[in-house]
Amino acid sequence: GESVGLHLPTLSVQEGDNSIINCAYSNSASDYFIWYKQESGKGPQFIIDIRSNMDKRQGQRVTVLLNKTVKHLSLQIAATQPGDSAVYFCAENGIKAAGNKLTFGGGTRVLVKP
Amino acid sequence: DSGVTQTPKHLITATGQRVTLRCSPRSGDLSVYWYQQSLDQGLQFLIQYYNGEERAKGNILERFSAQQFPDLHSELNLSSLELGDSALYFCASSVDQGKNTEAFFGQGTRLTVV
Repeated sequence: GESVGLHLPTLSVQEGDNSIINCAYSNSASDYFIWYKQESGKGPQFIIDIRSNMDKRQGQRVTVLLNKTVKHLSLQIAATQPGDSAVYFCAENGIKAAGNKLTFGGGTRVLVKP
Repeated sequence: DSGVTQTPKHLITATGQRVTLRCSPRSGDLSVYWYQQSLDQGLQFLIQYYNGEERAKGNILERFSAQQFPDLHSELNLSSLELGDSALYFCASSVDQGKNTEAFFGQGTRLTVV
């Protein structure tokens, strides 16, 4: 069945360094992927998305890379700041899924050390 | 603030009881979604409504039901509650119903069943 998973449950990073969060997905038919950030006590917040016809997309301080060959997704955060401390989820919306059903990965906690 | 309002923020109830969670979507959004976030299952899609009609369904228990009203607010009803139903319940909304539509999440309702 469809599933989205993460390799690293916790990532500690020094303030100012770059962070890389990885995600594997199993549904080769997935055509849309999203990264969400969830801070303590809040709901998930959209960060960036990418369609399957792209392999890279950049936002403000964030870059998402998609490798369809190995079904792998990553989120890179440049110059990580204390405010980046949160749990990050990848999610996918399967091509055959009705509506806008998102399948979320297990999440990676990012801890930024001052 | 995402613009999605959920009430109540916290709810403590006993096993066997029934509760109703409420969600007001962002102004102009026609689609609402319900997700359950638990420690062992992560973020799980429950159900989606669009303009009052059910649009997509996830692994929602038969004890759970939802509806979207003409004013577009939505309610999630949880009955015959069990300890395992303790979780964060998120509502999200989006302008459109289909894939690749950004969904904005509320702050969630934390349900504790004792």
